[in-house]
Amino acid sequence: EVQWLESGGGLVQPGGSLRLSCAASGFTFSSYGMSWVRQAPGKGLEWVSTIDRSGAGTYYADSVKGRFTIARDNSKNTLYLHMNSLRAEDTAVYYCAKHGYDILTGSRGHFDYWGQGTLVTVSS
Amino acid sequence: DIQMTQSPSSVSASEGDRVTITCRASQGISNYLAWFQQKPGKAPKSLIYAASSLQSGVPSKFSASGSGTDFTLTISSLQPEDFATYYCQQYNSYPYTFGQGTKLEIK
Repeated sequence: EVQWLESGGGLVQPGGSLRLSCAASGFTFSSYGMSWVRQAPGKGLEWVSTIDRSGAGTYYADSVKGRFTIARDNSKNTLYLHMNSLRAEDTAVYYCAKHGYDILTGSRGHFDYWGQGTLVTVSS
Repeated sequence: DIQMTQSPSSVSASEGDRVTITCRASQGISNYLAWFQQKPGKAPKSLIYAASSLQSGVPSKFSASGSGTDFTLTISSLQPEDFATYYCQQYNSYPYTFGQGTKLEIK
């Protein structure tokens, strides 16, 4: 069974920093890409960032590029999101999401399991 | 960026009904399209990937189709647990993008 332990959310002042963690179990963590997706209060889903299986390939939404860094530690089965220069508009629930593997096409782009989410509030 | 547009934004239906939600991409995305269900205060749940493939454990009452720019999600024999918000998402290219969501409400 895929299980998650997300942590690191909380209240931070504008311009501040936070590090989110998402510890995974129940699957071979190093075999799958991982992503962060966020949801502002009362709003829809927004993709934030993706990291490939090895950690060498990373991708970011323009809204966070240069401020957020995605990383992973495959020895600890943990995904991270380092968030700097936080703004009020970064206030959201942040979800980690595991990528699946499509055996028919070899595609690894889709999400199959989601963490429970952690709330980040940026406010003075 | 590829824009994903869902319709309708909200729909009311009764238990036992069948509903269809549409998702349109602003450019062709082959079949790199996923559908998610989200209930209030909960994380999204993956339903469909590759436009029509059911995620493990998802009941066959959920079906989906499409390719290129036009996609549909159909939910048959609606039960109380199906009333939620549904999102489509393209993973053809970065940045991944989601539709705005379709809220399925009980009539």
